[in-house]
Amino acid sequence: EAGVAQSPRYKIIEKRQSVAFWCNPISGHATLYWYQQILGQGPKLLIQFQNNGVVDDSQLPKDRFSAERLKGVDSTLKIQPAKLEDSAVYLCASRPRVYEDTIYFGEGSWLTVV
Amino acid sequence: GQNIDQPTEMTATEGAIVQINCTYQTSGFNGLFWYQQHAGEAPTFLSYNVLDGLEEKGRFSSFLSRSKGYSYLLLKELQMKDSASYLCALYPSGGYNKLIFGAGTRLAVHP
Repeated sequence: EAGVAQSPRYKIIEKRQSVAFWCNPISGHATLYWYQQILGQGPKLLIQFQNNGVVDDSQLPKDRFSAERLKGVDSTLKIQPAKLEDSAVYLCASRPRVYEDTIYFGEGSWLTVV
Repeated sequence: GQNIDQPTEMTATEGAIVQINCTYQTSGFNGLFWYQQHAGEAPTFLSYNVLDGLEEKGRFSSFLSRSKGYSYLLLKELQMKDSASYLCALYPSGGYNKLIFGAGTRLAVHP
């Protein structure tokens, strides 16, 4: 079974530029998450989708971050304009059903803002 | 809201046993996870506790006490490859079960 796919793996941009990350969850997984993990910290949930609907985006900085999951499959996370403090790993994760125990992470997209 | 506390760093010797503690405060609770994360890699699932007690999986065991808001991860027969961060995470009750993570404990195993 293929895992959660993310791209790009690494990205370096200047502040005020924009960047987009893509995620393809495990086939058939209804729930998709985007987490932000700053070095030395635990992952912080940015947004959660159930199929193609948003169920939690309370910690998404909506003035600069946006995410969509068209057709309930793959998803993109965009940052515009980027700030230095956005330097982090952006982890995509998915889960088969609402009450399934485990969530599965992709390898992450590493962002450095200079 | 939820608050999850773990020690920041721990060190241990190869072949030894180490216990990583996690305490939490939450208004509701649907289960507690432990994840392992090697440097530069994504978190990988280790264990999941819903009921009180000990869950054993090979060298790794996880314990939960819901009444005390306390869990620990026990690693036996430590190997160098166990050097990693260990993340405690929980499902708060209600809603669509978003997973909330602690800051993680960095474990260094030395010879």
